Amino acid sequence: DTEVTQTPKHLVMGMTNKKSLKCEQHMGHRAMYWYKQKAKKPPELMFVYSYEKLSINESVPSRFSPECPNSSLLNLHLHALQPEDSALYLCASSQGLGGATYEQYFGPGTRLTVT
Amino acid sequence: AQTVTQSQPEMSVQEAETVTLSCTYDTSENNYYLFWYKQPPSRQMILVIRQEAYKQQNATENRFSVNFQKAAKSFSLKISDSQLGDTAMYFCAFMNSNNNDMRFGAGTRLTVKP
Repeated sequence: DTEVTQTPKHLVMGMTNKKSLKCEQHMGHRAMYWYKQKAKKPPELMFVYSYEKLSINESVPSRFSPECPNSSLLNLHLHALQPEDSALYLCASSQGLGGATYEQYFGPGTRLTVT
Repeated sequence: AQTVTQSQPEMSVQEAETVTLSCTYDTSENNYYLFWYKQPPSRQMILVIRQEAYKQQNATENRFSVNFQKAAKSFSLKISDSQLGDTAMYFCAFMNSNNNDMRFGAGTRLTVKP
């Protein structure tokens, strides 16, 4: 199983809503990532978790709150978002940190629209 | 900070022909990894090929090969015998050896024409 799943596929939310994105993998990977991708742009790294601990936070606003309950699951909690936060949110996982053997496997993404 | 530059926003190629996508990067690191990722329209991003900086031999995966020039900090992707399914956005990416902070180039949109 080389699959990273993400739910929901699409999400529309108002600026006062609270919602969560979910990512799951069952490959035994110990590192998981959140990326943000605007239309026709490359993915931008948001967060990296290694062994369920936050390893990298790329100065992301606090309205985005990541959570890694266990090694297979990664959540992104959203609160008080702005319309400019509308984007494709990609989750990825790898065996660990560092090295070419730690290829990142990407999920299909959640397309988020903030109204 | 590392930067990755893809100077070709769009390219096209006839089916069965060969095309080369260019990528340059800037880093002061000696140990790092380079990748080409493919993102078809409305579909998942997948890894095409990877190269370890300490290896002199260019990586090859079936119809895909790279020309890695470490001194010039260049990492181009050659696609041979192009197929319609190769139509996608291609991203060049750089990663340090000690963490997984991967940086992507702006991408090249490749269209394979029948």
